Amino acid sequence: KNEVEQSPQNLTAQEGEFITINCSYSVGISALHWLQQHPGGGIVSLFMLSSGKKKHGRLIATINIQEKHSSLHITASHPRDSAVYICAVRGGAQKLVFGQGTRLTINP
Amino acid sequence: DAGVIQSPRHEVTEMGQEVTLRCKPISGHNSLFWYRQTMMRGLELLIYFNNNVPIDDSGMPEDRFSAKMPNASFSTLKIQPSEPRDSAVYFCASRDDSFSGNTIYFGEGSWLTVV
Repeated sequence: KNEVEQSPQNLTAQEGEFITINCSYSVGISALHWLQQHPGGGIVSLFMLSSGKKKHGRLIATINIQEKHSSLHITASHPRDSAVYICAVRGGAQKLVFGQGTRLTINP
Repeated sequence: DAGVIQSPRHEVTEMGQEVTLRCKPISGHNSLFWYRQTMMRGLELLIYFNNNVPIDDSGMPEDRFSAKMPNASFSTLKIQPSEPRDSAVYFCASRDDSFSGNTIYFGEGSWLTVV
């Protein structure tokens, strides 16, 4: 079993829909990242969370430390949100452990 | 700041050749990471430097891989000899670990194809 599990692996939705991507982890962490990777592009850190909830524009990230679970939400989704979203956790050591990613496609 | 700068962006090389990937971290960041991304295995940490010292190289696949960080503004990842299974995207990332709560910044990646 992977230390970081994401679901779903692939998600296709229509423009305007509310999107939720989930991440569960099995290790103790000091922080959790949500990363975004566009096709052919680099990786951008969207959020870093250690508790609670963060919001940036149409993106919301939540984390429940007790349940070892985090969610990334996108409101009013747009085709430009199409990307791979990766959950990564930072444990006691400094390195990140990554989920396999969720490929999101938003159709116009 | 220009962000994390990697070179080359793309490289195609023949099996057996030496490959050198380069990284300039964000100025002031004291931690540097080399990651590899493949379709099969996703993102994996290869090696992590803190204050130019290698801290964790447990992800380096084998002796063909080596990484150096001679100063705070430059790092290299070398593969010698290269093999087709080394084909992947190699990302460099940096972070300021002088205090907690800082996020990580990735370069655009070096796309390596070994034929």
